[in-house]
Amino acid sequence: QITLKESGPTLVKPTQTLTLTCTFSGFSLSTSGVGVGWIRQPPGKALEWLALIYWDDDKRYSPSLKSRLTITKDTSKNQVVLTMTNMDPVDTATYYCAHSGSGFDYWGQGTLVTVSS
Amino acid sequence: SYVLTQPPSVSVAPGQTARITCGGNNIGSKSVHWYQQKPGQAPVLVVYDDSDRPSGIPERFSGSNSGNTATLTISRVEAGDEADYYCQVWDSSSDHPYVVFGGGTKLTVL
Repeated sequence: QITLKESGPTLVKPTQTLTLTCTFSGFSLSTSGVGVGWIRQPPGKALEWLALIYWDDDKRYSPSLKSRLTITKDTSKNQVVLTMTNMDPVDTATYYCAHSGSGFDYWGQGTLVTVSS
Repeated sequence: SYVLTQPPSVSVAPGQTARITCGGNNIGSKSVHWYQQKPGQAPVLVVYDDSDRPSGIPERFSGSNSGNTATLTISRVEAGDEADYYCQVWDSSSDHPYVVFGGGTKLTVL
């Protein structure tokens, strides 16, 4: 079955760069049509899409955050990495990675990242 | 940028039908996906491509999409359906398509 799990720091300081890793199983990111995306959710607020990477290394970014985001994949390790630069307290949120099929059909449990000095 | 508008809240009595709308400019031309999120849990896809259900999702969940409004319908609402619901589309109007989520609707079962 398909599973995804996010990992990374729980606390980052303002201006630092956040690096999150999504480790998945049950599918391959070398299979045509497959993608993995990142979505975040500030406490008590709505979902916000961040980025997505496809099997062919095509990458999509949120227009409002594009300048701060980089998404990469390591197919051999079954991992997708998201980096976000210049972190700010407003970036405090639970960050999810998800398998992209028709919609985001499988999600990780999420990881809470707090931005504070 | 493309905006999806959802009512902040919808209330319904058990056994009744809940309808949650998602408004967007010509949303009928896009594929709409719906997610259910219970407190402290990750979202779950309940309807994809306007009206299809993933395996394991009850038939009580259905979707429709036309014109400027997509609708998630939950029939015979149960207490366990109480959750936040989000709609989602791809905006492909530019050279750089991107994902858009609605602001979410809190479904309260009275």
